[in-house]
Amino acid sequence: DTAVSQTPKYLVTQMGNDKSIKCEQNLGHDTMYWYKQDSKKFLKIMFSYNNKELIINETVPNRFSPKSPDKAHLNLHINSLELGDSAVYFCASSQNKGLSSYNEQFFGPGTRLTVL
Amino acid sequence: AQSVTQLDSQVPVFEEAPVELRCNYSSSVSVYLFWYVQYPNQGLQLLLKYLSGSTLVKGINGFEAEFNKSQTSFHLRKPSVHISDTAEYFCAVRDFGNEKLTFGTGTRLTIIP
Repeated sequence: DTAVSQTPKYLVTQMGNDKSIKCEQNLGHDTMYWYKQDSKKFLKIMFSYNNKELIINETVPNRFSPKSPDKAHLNLHINSLELGDSAVYFCASSQNKGLSSYNEQFFGPGTRLTVL
Repeated sequence: AQSVTQLDSQVPVFEEAPVELRCNYSSSVSVYLFWYVQYPNQGLQLLLKYLSGSTLVKGINGFEAEFNKSQTSFHLRKPSVHISDTAEYFCAVRDFGNEKLTFGTGTRLTIIP
């Protein structure tokens, strides 16, 4: 009965490859996020989707493309992987009650991506 | 733009001793404040949150934090730590009217037996 799940948990790949990380939430939330945590543990938001619509898009290379087939899923596709993409990627979700309300974010367990 | 500063990257504490993890934020508007905990090889879990009202908030596992608007701080405290509290702790801020959650750089709490 995992609330926010990610697959795979670990991903090791070569530079230049294209890979995807999947995220699913069974909480009925309508907003989902992707965060990147670097080797120094710094956690930064990359994208946010609300009802399949992109609402936050931070300064991220266009090699990264989120895709939301439905509001329970937000997948992250990465093209032409680079060494600097090595990090832990976290998915999160929240129920959007409006910008003036508090929307607690629930995090997945993370996907550790290693680019060789 | 909002930002969060956690001055202590690592805090070693003896078991059963008290601990305070510091967090300061900057924002031009009213904010929501959070503390998250990340246990080794796990995702983030919400410890506690300040939304409004009482400036002293209590969270899970015996932690509490106090919102100080004049000092723009939201320090996390626990009166007596346990080995199981060893983890990375992240302070985060979200402006009213903004969906974006901004995290600090984290504080690694290590409990010494």
